Amino acid sequence: GQNIDQPTEMTATEGAIVQINCTYQTSGFNGLFWYQQHAGEAPTFLSYNVLDGLEEKGRFSSFLSRSKGYSYLLLKELQMKDSASYLCAVRDGGYSTLTFGKGTMLLVSP
Amino acid sequence: DTGVSQDPRHKITKRGQNVTFRCDPISEHNRLYWYRQTLGQGPEFLTYFQNEAQLEKSRLLSDRFSAERPKGSFSTLEIQRTEQGDSAMYLCASSQIQGAAEKLFFGSGTQLSVL
Repeated sequence: GQNIDQPTEMTATEGAIVQINCTYQTSGFNGLFWYQQHAGEAPTFLSYNVLDGLEEKGRFSSFLSRSKGYSYLLLKELQMKDSASYLCAVRDGGYSTLTFGKGTMLLVSP
Repeated sequence: DTGVSQDPRHKITKRGQNVTFRCDPISEHNRLYWYRQTLGQGPEFLTYFQNEAQLEKSRLLSDRFSAERPKGSFSTLEIQRTEQGDSAMYLCASSQIQGAAEKLFFGSGTQLSVL
């Protein structure tokens, strides 16, 4: 089976930096994804990590440590529109399907 | 690129009725996935197709659920004898095979309410 943990909620202030953590325990590993989901909308792809290290893409960066079963999503220069749920998802080495965590609801306040 | 489209956006039904949802994937994508999501939870995998072949079904998927993708293009998800516990957002996603880097593109979902 797979177990993916992330905080339920986080709050931050506009212009600040926030780090959303994700830990996972899977029988295999073939990639970790972060998706953003605004209320009532479809999840949209943010980032993909399969090797250890940091992947930077504009204001968003994602980090992976395979030995620790750990990832984080870093959001810089927060904007109000970043208020959303952030989903961590893992692809098990033996399967094509993605298993999602419960998501972290981020609220950005002025 | 018109994206993944799902129909209907909302469905209200009475317990015991059958419902069917449709998903039209991005045209060049050969994989199609169905997920279910309830409030405060992440999407939960139900089943997926590669072209017209259904390759995997979740062990959690009841026999009341069936999915088809007859010509390898659009897909339908049918729920028979609906129960209140079936109330959820049903998400469809499509992708092109790219190995581990395969990205899923999601539709906006069908929100099912079973009364």
